[in-house]
Amino acid sequence: EDQVTQSPEALRLQEGESSSLNCSYTVSGLRGLFWYRQDPGKGPEFLFTLYSAGEEKEKERLKATLTKKESFLHITAPKPEDSATYLCAAPNQAGTALIFGKGTTLSVSS
Amino acid sequence: NAGVTQTPKFRVLKTGQSMTLLCAQDMNHEYMYWYRQDPGMGLRLIHYSVGEGTTAKGEVPDGYNVSRLKKQNFLLGLESAAPSQTSVYFCASRRTASSYEQYFGPGTRLTVT
Repeated sequence: EDQVTQSPEALRLQEGESSSLNCSYTVSGLRGLFWYRQDPGKGPEFLFTLYSAGEEKEKERLKATLTKKESFLHITAPKPEDSATYLCAAPNQAGTALIFGKGTTLSVSS
Repeated sequence: NAGVTQTPKFRVLKTGQSMTLLCAQDMNHEYMYWYRQDPGMGLRLIHYSVGEGTTAKGEVPDGYNVSRLKKQNFLLGLESAAPSQTSVYFCASRRTASSYEQYFGPGTRLTVT
């Protein structure tokens, strides 16, 4: 069964304290791994797509990486404005929809 | 470009009432989706459309109907609202069959009392 699992559910960091969020997937014939950011009361905002193992994408303090079984979202020296829920997703086998993980809620305090 | 817009932003219904949520996109995207998001449940797909005039069921379609009469619009209907349909509803669109990233609207918060 296609599945996307994220951990941890919640993460609290101090400003400047780097960490990583995990997304593991069991989807046959992966056609991309997607990361989104969701702020409270808003819709998910697309961040990155990763297509093959070893690929990396960066945006400001965020770096996404992909292996054959999981993806990591590394947050370097986070700031309070990085606080949000981060979602990862992968296309289902039919390619008709994205399967979303339940998300990791990140809180960064100053 | 406005991207993906949703109308209304908030709505309160009484049990048994009906309503329609409107999603519009100005990006000429082929695919459109309706999700609901509930605490601890994540995003769950209700219905989707792979093109004008087509619709298909997602993971949680019961109690909802959809229509895509125009390419740019995707309507979600609740015929007889139930308290279990209290949720935040998101619409999303996707450019083509070969591009999988989806772009989301701002959401509609629906409360059924």
